[in-house]
Amino acid sequence: ILNVEQSPQSLHVQEGDSTNFTCSFPSSNFYALHWYRWETAKSPEALFVMTLNGDEKKKGRISATLNTKEGYSYLYIKGSQPEDSATYLCAFIRSGGSNYKLTFGKGTLLTVNP
Amino acid sequence: GAGVSQSPSNKVTEKGKDVELRCDPISGHTALYWYRQSLGQGLEFLIYFQGNSAPDKSGLPSDRFSAERTGGSVSTLTIQRTQQEDSAVYLCASSLYRTMNTEAFFGQGTRLTVV
Repeated sequence: ILNVEQSPQSLHVQEGDSTNFTCSFPSSNFYALHWYRWETAKSPEALFVMTLNGDEKKKGRISATLNTKEGYSYLYIKGSQPEDSATYLCAFIRSGGSNYKLTFGKGTLLTVNP
Repeated sequence: GAGVSQSPSNKVTEKGKDVELRCDPISGHTALYWYRQSLGQGLEFLIYFQGNSAPDKSGLPSDRFSAERTGGSVSTLTIQRTQQEDSAVYLCASSLYRTMNTEAFFGQGTRLTVV
């Protein structure tokens, strides 16, 4: 069983605050790590696909880093806005035996208060 | 179509009836997933299809649930003898297989209500 852990489970911040959360995954047989944003009443949408150790990706105020050797990824949001409120999911893909299946964490629920 | 298409978008059924949910993945996507979200819960994995490999059914909650994927494209999730706890949003996602730099694309989901 693959364990993909996300922390914290939920988070409340004020508009303008910067915040970050963590995704932990097995450090062996790494293939790829995805981040998705899941807004209420919508479907998850991909933010980042990360494949290389040390990768850092950025999309506007949101960025992510990847450490495959120690098995973690951080997602950062700078200057949070109410529209950033969503559940942020990470998903790990292991090479080999799992047939390259996406395994999701339970997500971090972010609420940005105006 | 351009995206993952699911039908119906909403389904209300009586307890004990069978239902079928359909997913049309993006053309060329060989990997297909079914998930569900029950009220207040996260994303629960149900089943994973990859090309001609045997599907990973490890997430199916009971033998009332089954899924098939015909011709490597359209998938149908069938729930027999529905129970109230089956009420959830059922999401389908597809992706290219073993292509490092591509993500999964989700459909808009089927909201199933068992009354």
